[in-house]
Amino acid sequence: AQTVTQSQPEMSVQEAETVTLSCTYDTSESDYYLFWYKQPPSRQMILVIRQEAYKQQNATENRFSVNFQKAAKSFSLKISDSQLGDAAMYFCAYRSEGTSGSRLTFGEGTQLTVNP
Amino acid sequence: DGGITQSPKYLFRKEGQNVTLSCEQNLNHDAMYWYRQDPGQGLRLIYYSQIVNDFQKGDIAEGYSVSREKKESFPLTVTSAQKNPTAFYLCASSTQPGTVHYEQYFGPGTRLTVT
Repeated sequence: AQTVTQSQPEMSVQEAETVTLSCTYDTSESDYYLFWYKQPPSRQMILVIRQEAYKQQNATENRFSVNFQKAAKSFSLKISDSQLGDAAMYFCAYRSEGTSGSRLTFGEGTQLTVNP
Repeated sequence: DGGITQSPKYLFRKEGQNVTLSCEQNLNHDAMYWYRQDPGQGLRLIYYSQIVNDFQKGDIAEGYSVSREKKESFPLTVTSAQKNPTAFYLCASSTQPGTVHYEQYFGPGTRLTVT
């Protein structure tokens, strides 16, 4: 079974600064997807960024980028120019591409605080 | 607007009663999912359905039941057999595997409190 580990329960960053959230995962599969989801106080889950395992290029979405190290099974999220609206719980998630469909396995989350 | 609706936002029940949480989507997605979230924890999969009239157990299915009679609807029943039902429940949907970018989209959630 796949497992996802987020070793930082809480992180904080100053507004306009850069922060990196860590995520590691364990799998024996070669084909899979990785995601970062954001959950603000409203508790609505919002997709931040996705990474296909077969792609070597790291995904980027505006101020959000990932550092995907497949051999190390590491998938960190970098938030540049942090804004107050970035404050939220961030979840790393793994999705296998097996016949059981697109099941997601989530890490336990990192609570990000953005200080003005 | 296309999306996923869950109702109600807050739900209160007495211990020993079954309760059904609603999830409806108008995204024309084939697959639907139910997750449970406890304070300070990630989401855990309860049940999922890839197609109408078919569903599979997730990681924590005990004490829960589902049905998938319509593509748009995937209600979750929390039975009296669930030992600790108080939690936040999230419903999600996605297109089928093989579709480009078939990530899961989430509803706003239902907070269930059982006393």
